[in-house]
Amino acid sequence: GQQVMQIPQYQHVQEGEDFTTYCNSSTTLSNIQWYKQRPGGHPVFLIQLVKSGEVKKQKRLTFQFGEAKKNSSLHITATQTTDVGTYFCAGSTEYSTLTFGKGTMLLVSP
Amino acid sequence: DAGITQSPRHKVTETGTPVTLRCHQTENHRYMYWYRQDPGHGLRLIHYSYGVKDTDKGEVSDGYSVSRSKTEDFLLTLESATSSQTSVYFCAISNWRALGEQFFGPGTRLTVL
Repeated sequence: GQQVMQIPQYQHVQEGEDFTTYCNSSTTLSNIQWYKQRPGGHPVFLIQLVKSGEVKKQKRLTFQFGEAKKNSSLHITATQTTDVGTYFCAGSTEYSTLTFGKGTMLLVSP
Repeated sequence: DAGITQSPRHKVTETGTPVTLRCHQTENHRYMYWYRQDPGHGLRLIHYSYGVKDTDKGEVSDGYSVSRSKTEDFLLTLESATSSQTSVYFCAISNWRALGEQFFGPGTRLTVL
């Protein structure tokens, strides 16, 4: 079945450093979504990408969808302690449900 | 937050007992999902529903059954709970199968002893 791999599993940064998490799919995706889960909380939708090569920005967060629609990345510029949490990518093909990656846990030290 | 609740929020049960988790929404979304979340595995889809009495299996459906008799309620049943089903269970809702935002409930922490 469809697999979505996410790296790294864990990253610890100092406040102000940048952070990137990567997502790779074994199949071509029709769309990819990103979610954030705070410790003890539930996943919350961040963004959806559907076009090849698409780049979207939300303040300090930059999301990219690869040209082949098989990979994606989330980049956070100048991390803050409020960025702490686990970031999940989730992809689907035209006929499938969403498949989630295992997530990247981000820890930010002040 | 979307109007989605889960009950109970915490449950401890013994191996072999039946367990039912409830998801309730007030958003009238067509799709409802049950996921389980385990360390190192992310979120895995158990079952989903695309309408009243319309359900389908997900990636990890063995040992679970679901029912949706009303638009707003989606029940997950463990007929005979096992320790491997100890997990955090999330319900989610959306208007489309895979395109568009999924809204997640607060989760149910289930421990099977």
